[in-house]
Amino acid sequence: SQQGEEDPQALSIQEGENATMNCSYKTSINNLQWYRQNSGRGLVHLILIRSNEREKHSGRLRVTLDTSKKSSSLLITASRAADTASYFCATDVRGGADGLTFGKGTHLIIQP
Amino acid sequence: SQTIHQWPATLVQPVGSPLSLECTVEGTSNPNLYWYRQAAGRGLQLLFYSVGIGQISSEVPQNLSASRPQDRQFILSSKKLLLSDSGFYLCAWSPDRGGMIAFFGQGTRLTVV
Repeated sequence: SQQGEEDPQALSIQEGENATMNCSYKTSINNLQWYRQNSGRGLVHLILIRSNEREKHSGRLRVTLDTSKKSSSLLITASRAADTASYFCATDVRGGADGLTFGKGTHLIIQP
Repeated sequence: SQTIHQWPATLVQPVGSPLSLECTVEGTSNPNLYWYRQAAGRGLQLLFYSVGIGQISSEVPQNLSASRPQDRQFILSSKKLLLSDSGFYLCAWSPDRGGMIAFFGQGTRLTVV
């Protein structure tokens, strides 16, 4: 079953605007990650936030985590056409090596 | 640096034919290895994972099997493909310790006809 659920499912904005995507999950987690997928390609890891962290930055990316609400958000500032992709949140639920649980993703389109 | 290779990139197979997708990792030892499937417009579903040679854990009972004959080689197989096996298959690896960041291959688009 899906652990993470992203919303919106699709988002279209103008270049230069900020894009915000949200992820909700159901069970306690060790960490939460965000990945990006260009069409027809593999996923690329963007950022990891641990369960004891509330906010993390990496370049134009800002991730927040609210464990009380079981939710996370990914903010991309000053968006570029090259940011067009699908974005997935993934949770590490059980720890160890037994895989991540992914949401269905948000498809982001940046209009030039 | 570590790299992951997955092939082929695309594959069209008839129903009832066998399947073998291969994934190899370079530049690391004892990686954790994973096979995921992604249906159109959906998230990723974990199919198999492996923490060592010959050690395979299955997440979803299905028509597929996985094997790890060597430390950095992970193979996804089927004896007889079904139409429902169509999808985008992704191999991934993560370090054996130090967190669960996954590094993905470029994927195989499988169409069963």
